[in-house]
Amino acid sequence: DAMVIQNPRYQVTQFGKPVTLSCSQTLNHNVMYWYQQKSSQAPKLLFHYYDKDFNNEADTPDNFQSRRPNTSFCFLDIRSPGLGDAAMYLCATSDGTLRANVLTFGAGSRLTVL
Amino acid sequence: AQKVTQAQTEISVVEKEDVTLDCVYETRDTTYYLFWYKQPPSGELVFLIRRNSFDEQNEISGRYSWNFQKSTSSFNFTITASQVVDSAVYFCALSEALNDYKLSFGAGTTVTVRA
Repeated sequence: DAMVIQNPRYQVTQFGKPVTLSCSQTLNHNVMYWYQQKSSQAPKLLFHYYDKDFNNEADTPDNFQSRRPNTSFCFLDIRSPGLGDAAMYLCATSDGTLRANVLTFGAGSRLTVL
Repeated sequence: AQKVTQAQTEISVVEKEDVTLDCVYETRDTTYYLFWYKQPPSGELVFLIRRNSFDEQNEISGRYSWNFQKSTSSFNFTITASQVVDSAVYFCALSEALNDYKLSFGAGTTVTVRA
């Protein structure tokens, strides 16, 4: 019954080696988010898609990119991971037709950078 | 500036004790929403409750209760008769019209319930 599915759950990469994390949803929500959560910290919004419209947060590094080929899927690309990018990456979805609607989160992808 | 402050970093209790988690928020908006999410060790953030700024009615849901007080900008959360399964990180979050209703999370409070 998982509604927001993230893959892989655990990803190990080398410094500078590109990484792609994926998120899929069965809720048909029009908004998809990517959050970065470092150890013992609050989740930090990187960007979100409202339908096909991409909305980047002002302080999100250029190293982070995203793609949303269709309603169900969204990808997070880290072009050249640094040690500081090691974190849990959380995908979430919401029904954007309702303001301040509840976010449904996936279980996260934990990225380790060697 | 921190919009949501959770002053308690960690709380440890013995099973069946009550636990109250503090949350203080800051906003210039008159229309806003407050949330509590739970993050168990599995990592998935789970929605617990949402309150809008026009509804100060406190709520009880099973062993959970919430106390929203606009006068003190607080939205506290209590777990009654805690259980080991309540062990998790709890996040308070704010969603403001001025910020396009994006969620601003507090730093979280880690609750450990010991058997």
